[in-house]
Amino acid sequence: LAKTTQPISMDSYEGQEVNITCSHNNIATNDYITWYQQFPSQGPRFIIQGYKTKVTNEVASLFIPADRKSSTLSLPRVSLSDTAVYYCLVGDSSASKIIFGSGTRLSIRP
Amino acid sequence: NAGVTQTPKFQVLKTGQSMTLQCAQDMNHEYMSWYRQDPGMGLRLIHYSVGAGITDQGEVPNGYNVSRSTTEDFPLRLLSAAPSQTSVYFCASSSTGLDYEQYFGPGTRLTVT
Repeated sequence: LAKTTQPISMDSYEGQEVNITCSHNNIATNDYITWYQQFPSQGPRFIIQGYKTKVTNEVASLFIPADRKSSTLSLPRVSLSDTAVYYCLVGDSSASKIIFGSGTRLSIRP
Repeated sequence: NAGVTQTPKFQVLKTGQSMTLQCAQDMNHEYMSWYRQDPGMGLRLIHYSVGAGITDQGEVPNGYNVSRSTTEDFPLRLLSAAPSQTSVYFCASSSTGLDYEQYFGPGTRLTVT
């Protein structure tokens, strides 16, 4: 069962690039890496997903090294509205292997 | 599209009472799931469904029942509420699987006294 480890919290300032790293040493061959964002009193929102190398969309980039034992979510030029909890998940099509973990609480300051 | 909707938003139950949390989606997604989130914790999977008529257990299924009679609806039943079931409950749906992009509802905050 692939478990993820993330920093409990991070602080940054508006306009900075923020990188959140997730460790998943037991990731299986078929597992994808998925990141979600959650604001207080809301359900999580999908940010990005990848399998290997680099994936980029309009809000974030995901960097995955060749051994896939970790991944880094990169948020360019953060704003106050990026203050949220960020969850890294790994899993395959077997739903019982989907585990959210405790996430990283990101706080952005002016 | 309304996306994923959940009712009620808030509910208070007494120990031993039963109730059903409603979840509906209008995106024609095959996959639906229920999670609970305790204070300061991540989400834990309770039950999920890969299509109408098919359900299975997740990580923490005890004390909960589900059924999936239609693609749109996936109700969660609490059989005999216990204080340990005080939590926020989220329903989610996906077109491709729980390991792919899931769309979450706004949640139901349940308190059991």
